[in-house]
Amino acid sequence: QKEVEQDPGPLSVPEGAIVSLNCTYSNSAFQYFMWYRQYSRKGPELLMYTYSSGNKEDGRFTAQVDKSSKYISLFIRDSQPSDSATYLCAMMGETGTASKLTFGTGTRLQVTL
Amino acid sequence: NAGVTQTPKFQVLKTGQSMTLQCAQDMNHEYMSWYRQDPGMGLRLIHYSVGAGITDQGEVPNGYNVSRSTTEDFPLRLLSAAPSQTSVYFCASTPALGRNTEAFFGQGTRLTVV
Repeated sequence: QKEVEQDPGPLSVPEGAIVSLNCTYSNSAFQYFMWYRQYSRKGPELLMYTYSSGNKEDGRFTAQVDKSSKYISLFIRDSQPSDSATYLCAMMGETGTASKLTFGTGTRLQVTL
Repeated sequence: NAGVTQTPKFQVLKTGQSMTLQCAQDMNHEYMSWYRQDPGMGLRLIHYSVGAGITDQGEVPNGYNVSRSTTEDFPLRLLSAAPSQTSVYFCASTPALGRNTEAFFGQGTRLTVV
């Protein structure tokens, strides 16, 4: 069983929809939780990160972490065609660094006009 | 400021051939990593380095060698390529100071082994 599970999609939504992307994990040592966005044929770019449990909001994006359930989510409000990409969750422990991230498989999102 | 630069962007190798994937960063980051990305598998860590002269294995190190002689460069060597090494390879760098939760990725090298 992989340490981090993520539905690969693809997920297709109309423009303006609210998108929910999720990951589950099994390693209770994970403390930092990140979402990376990867456009086609590009490298991943950090979108948001959260430490431990709680919510974090940045514009149209909200990241949630529920450590008790080992479940993290990324919500995208008012989705735009430019949000079409693969979204990867990533995690690391308290003593880890971003040089050693554990990634989910990624969810491919398509926002249609 | 170019960030993380990977060369080549595309490569086709025959089974048994060797090659080196190049990675250079100009952000003076201490940490560098190599990942491979395969369909349904996500990004998996191959090797990483926390500074010049220091390297360590990640989740899938077999068939790959690395060295870190300078802060800027972190080449990945395939000594005898196998079809199972067909993948997209990403190099990343991370600053050592601060919360260092952000890894900066290159554009990737698409490798096909036939």
